[in-house]
Amino acid sequence: KNQVEQSPQSLIILEGKNCTLQCNYTVSPFSNLRWYKQDTGRGPVSLTIMTFSENTKSNGRYTATLDADTKQSSLHITASQLSDSASYICVVPGAGFNKFYFGSGTKLNVKP
Amino acid sequence: GAVVSQHPSRVICKSGTSVKIECRSLDFQATTMFWYRQFPKQSLMLMATSNEGSKATYEQGVEKDKFLINHASLTLSTLTVTSAHPEDSSFYICSASVRRSGAGTEAFFGQGTRLTVV
Repeated sequence: KNQVEQSPQSLIILEGKNCTLQCNYTVSPFSNLRWYKQDTGRGPVSLTIMTFSENTKSNGRYTATLDADTKQSSLHITASQLSDSASYICVVPGAGFNKFYFGSGTKLNVKP
Repeated sequence: GAVVSQHPSRVICKSGTSVKIECRSLDFQATTMFWYRQFPKQSLMLMATSNEGSKATYEQGVEKDKFLINHASLTLSTLTVTSAHPEDSSFYICSASVRRSGAGTEAFFGQGTRLTVV
């Protein structure tokens, strides 16, 4: 069964601290995995995309990793800021063109 | 990246009226668009998959006659909530899929529409 699971469900950290969000998937065949940030009341915005051949990719303070063997991805946020408070969603497309599998998201709350 | 524009961002309507939400792909052609609904503190829920020039495919439990989807062109899909009721109040989001050479399929999202039915 194609699934995407994220952990933790929610996370509270202090401003300036680092955190790591996890995404496990069972989608096959695999082509890519994308991390999105969704602010409250807004649509998801892409942070990074990981293809099969990529292990690590950074976008500013965001670093994503992918282990295609264990089917796991992580999103590491460095030196968190209050503006990082949002939901982070992991998405993996299914075969073909018409299906995407969503994780349930991790709700991150960065406190001053 | 590709840009998907959704309009309006917020709409308040009276119970019994219909509301149309537009989703446009600005710099690419979107053969397939998706419509999602999101309740507070919950995940995105797929409502339907819209293919240009053909009828939309609705997820189980989504009323076709209530949520009318039209995908008349490669850059525009519309969702019309007919005879809206307060329980239809929600956050509606569209997305478009793009096939990237060597990278598979990606989804790009609109900004979302907050619908409030009073």
